[in-house]
Amino acid sequence: GENVEQHPSTLSVQEGDSAVIKCTYSDSASNYFPWYKQELGKGPQLIIDIRSNVGEKKDQRIAVTLNKTAKHFSLHITETQPEDSAVYFCAATAPRIGADGLTFGKGTHLIIQP
Amino acid sequence: GAGVSQSPRYKVAKRGQDVALRCDPISGHVSLFWYQQALGQGPEFLTYFQNEAQLDKSGLPSDRFFAERPEGSVSTLKIQRTQQEDSAVYLCASSLGTSGGSYEQYFGPGTRLTVT
Repeated sequence: GENVEQHPSTLSVQEGDSAVIKCTYSDSASNYFPWYKQELGKGPQLIIDIRSNVGEKKDQRIAVTLNKTAKHFSLHITETQPEDSAVYFCAATAPRIGADGLTFGKGTHLIIQP
Repeated sequence: GAGVSQSPRYKVAKRGQDVALRCDPISGHVSLFWYQQALGQGPEFLTYFQNEAQLDKSGLPSDRFFAERPEGSVSTLKIQRTQQEDSAVYLCASSLGTSGGSYEQYFGPGTRLTVT
């Protein structure tokens, strides 16, 4: 089955700087890669996703890049703000009939220093 | 509109007790998923429903775990004879799309289960 590795486990950046979180996946059939933000005591919130027919996607201060050859995808947050502090999870799935569950990485705790 | 809701938000059970966790998906969403999230870890897939059909239960850790979605809307995850290792947050997610597609999954707030 799919295996997703996520790095780093903790990332501390100064407010206003950029943050980058990286993930690798193992199943070459995976074609959907969402990113979730989870705040303490809440469920994961979908913030951006990318499909395998696209190499990059941007939404305001957030961007995701995908390298299918290397089986690698990354989340980029620019101009970080205190409210960006949270745990971020990458995930992947190789949709098959009857099996759409996501495989998640272990998470990155992003800390924005004022 | 309303998102995914789960109840109860917190549940404390004594070892050996049975528990039932409820999920109300977003109205009209065909697909429903259950995940288990241990402390400090990412969510792990448990089971998947398309309407009322349970199409994938490969992630259920033992036969003490049972899920149903009898009318294709509300779902219940039941854990029988709870053990301490069952302590976790149980997350429900729903998706508009059907099996085989890549559709956004929207999560509820979770139920934190503590087994004492």
